[in-house]
Amino acid sequence: NAGVTQTPKFQVLKTGQSMTLQCAQDMNHNSMYWYRQDPGMGLRLIYYSASEGTTDKGEVPNGYNVSRLNKREFSLRLESAAPSQTSVYFCASSFIAGGSRSPAQYFGPGTRLTVT
Amino acid sequence: GENVEQHPSTLSVQEGDSAVIKCTYSDSASNYFPWYKQELGKGPQLIIDIRSNVGEKKDQRIAVTLNKTAKHFSLHITETQPEDSAVYFCAASPSWNSGGSNYKLTFGKGTLLTVNP
Repeated sequence: NAGVTQTPKFQVLKTGQSMTLQCAQDMNHNSMYWYRQDPGMGLRLIYYSASEGTTDKGEVPNGYNVSRLNKREFSLRLESAAPSQTSVYFCASSFIAGGSRSPAQYFGPGTRLTVT
Repeated sequence: GENVEQHPSTLSVQEGDSAVIKCTYSDSASNYFPWYKQELGKGPQLIIDIRSNVGEKKDQRIAVTLNKTAKHFSLHITETQPEDSAVYFCAASPSWNSGGSNYKLTFGKGTLLTVNP
């Protein structure tokens, strides 16, 4: 099992350009998440998808859109990149947090994005 | 909303010593507390987690303790090794047994642990 995979690993964009970050998981998880990590700020939730067909805003959603393509895949799109979106982006997945099943979130390796 | 404070921000120990990282949380509804290890250039890796109905959990050299009354939880690493050097994050969430209604995981700002050979 690959767990959570993310593409690309690195990306440099110019201000105003758009791009999509891809994420896929093979753990049969229901829920998927996008976080960004900035120095001194820890991990902050951008968007999440509790189950296939649903998406919701997290703590810092402005400037981003998401698509839950199917149970395995969850993409994050930057429509018009800004320097403030320079960050490391992590995708994570988990089972639905209910009942006795652990809500543990498992993270991918990250995408390092620089916007100039 | 939930606020998680983590201390210390940096910790340096000698190989073989123990390391303790402490976190406090503010929301009494939080019932799930995971700890993550993040090595340079990699994603956070879950190393241990605990539910609010458990006071302590151990996994080999790693243990987590929880004090619900005081709203704090700690990570203990014994017999530290150089490969334990990394950034460690605590987190809190009300997600266990939430019926799928709450997914938010609030993270502390991290502790850089350095184990000196």
